[in-house]
Amino acid sequence: EVQLVESGGGLVKPGGSLRLSCTASGFNFGVCTMIWVRQAPGKGLEWVSAIGADSSHRGHADSVQGRFSISRDNAKNSLYLQMNSLRAEDTAVYYCAREISGRYFDSWGQGSLVIVSS
Amino acid sequence: EIVLTQSPVTLSLSPGERATLSCRASQSISSNLAWYQQKPGQAPRLLISDASNRATGIPARFSGSGSGTDFTLTISSLEPEDFAVYYCQQCSSWPLFTFGPGTKVDIK
Repeated sequence: EVQLVESGGGLVKPGGSLRLSCTASGFNFGVCTMIWVRQAPGKGLEWVSAIGADSSHRGHADSVQGRFSISRDNAKNSLYLQMNSLRAEDTAVYYCAREISGRYFDSWGQGSLVIVSS
Repeated sequence: EIVLTQSPVTLSLSPGERATLSCRASQSISSNLAWYQQKPGQAPRLLISDASNRATGIPARFSGSGSGTDFTLTISSLEPEDFAVYYCQQCSSWPLFTFGPGTKVDIK
């Protein structure tokens, strides 16, 4: 069974940093492109970051470019999102997900809540 | 950037009724569209990929159609567990993924 489990969320002050982790199991993590998607309270879904299987290809949404960095450790079946210079508008549930066919997301974690507030 | 719009914002229906949800792209995306279902407090679930292919385990009452700029998700007969928010999503050029704003299907 495919499982994705996020951790690392919490309350952080504006301007602060946080690192999210996503631990994968039940599939060959090392050959899969992985992504982060977030959802602000009561709002829709927003793609945040993506990383290819060997980390050679990465991308970030304009809203987080220069502040967030996606990485992975295939030996640990883990995906990460380093979030710096956090703003109130970054408050959201952050989901990790597995990408398929270069376009869609077929498995999702349960989400990790990040609250940016003073 | 390709923008997706969804209509209606809310669809109020009764169990057993047919639901028709629309997603429109700002430019042609061929058949590169997915639909997701999200229930309160849960992660999204992939329903349909490539506009019309049901994902593993998705009931046959869910069907997708369309290509180019206009797409439709149809639920042939609503079950109580189908009341949720539905999002369309596309990726025309990796990694520029975009989601529509969602359609809420609620109980009339």
